Amino acid sequence: SQKIEQNSEALNIQEGKTATLTCNYTNYSPAYLQWYRQDPGRGPVFLLLIRENEKEKRKERLKVTFDTTLKQSLFHITASQPADSATYLCALDTYNNNDMRFGAGTRLTVKP
Amino acid sequence: ETGVTQSPTHLIKTRGQQVTLRCSSQSGHNTVSWYQQALGQGPQFIFQYYREEENGRGNFPPRFSGLQFPNYSSELNVNALELDDSALYLCASSMDRSNEKLFFGSGTQLSVL
Repeated sequence: SQKIEQNSEALNIQEGKTATLTCNYTNYSPAYLQWYRQDPGRGPVFLLLIRENEKEKRKERLKVTFDTTLKQSLFHITASQPADSATYLCALDTYNNNDMRFGAGTRLTVKP
Repeated sequence: ETGVTQSPTHLIKTRGQQVTLRCSSQSGHNTVSWYQQALGQGPQFIFQYYREEENGRGNFPPRFSGLQFPNYSSELNVNALELDDSALYLCASSMDRSNEKLFFGSGTQLSVL
C-alpha cells in the first residue's frame, strides 16, 4: 500500500542546533516533493520544492535532500530559532486525479 | 497581491445538516483545491477545480461537492453532515492545475455535534 511517513510526531531541540526531519514514502514515484510549515490554527505555508533529478535544494537556513532510491527526503533547519517552532509537512504529487498526499507532519519545538 | 481567504473561520453544525464553505483564491490563480485536515493529521485532498470544472477528486463521498465561479472563487458543500466531518477545511490556490507551491488559506474549523 502507499504510505508517506514522517519520522516522528514531535522533535525537541535546543536553539542554535540543526533540526533534521525525515519523510519516507512507499509505492509512490513522485516527480517532486514539497515541504510546508504549518502554525496552529493556520494553513500550511510553502517552503521548498525539490524535483526527482535534484539531490539538494537550499533556501537561507533551510536545506532539503531527495533520494529517490531510498524513497526519502530530509529537511534540515540550521541555526534553529524558537520562531522555527511549528509543524512541518512533506507532500508529494501522486499523479492520480491531482491528489497531493501529505504526511502527518512533525511538530518541531526549538527551546531557547 | 491578495492572499487566499476563507469564510467562515469557525462553524458549528449538527449531524445531518448541510454546510457551505467559501474560498477566494490568490489574485491571478485559476485553480482551487480543497483539503480536509483532521486533528493531528496532514491535509487530505478532497477535489480540485480549474476554470469552473472539477479536475480531480480524492476519496470522498458524493455528499462532498463543490463549485468554482468565473472569478475563480470556490465553494465546498457538504450534505448530511456526520460527526467525522469535524475537521479543518483548507483551500489552496495555484495556477493551471499545478500542485506546485500551493497557497493555502487559514481554513474553516468545522465542528459537527
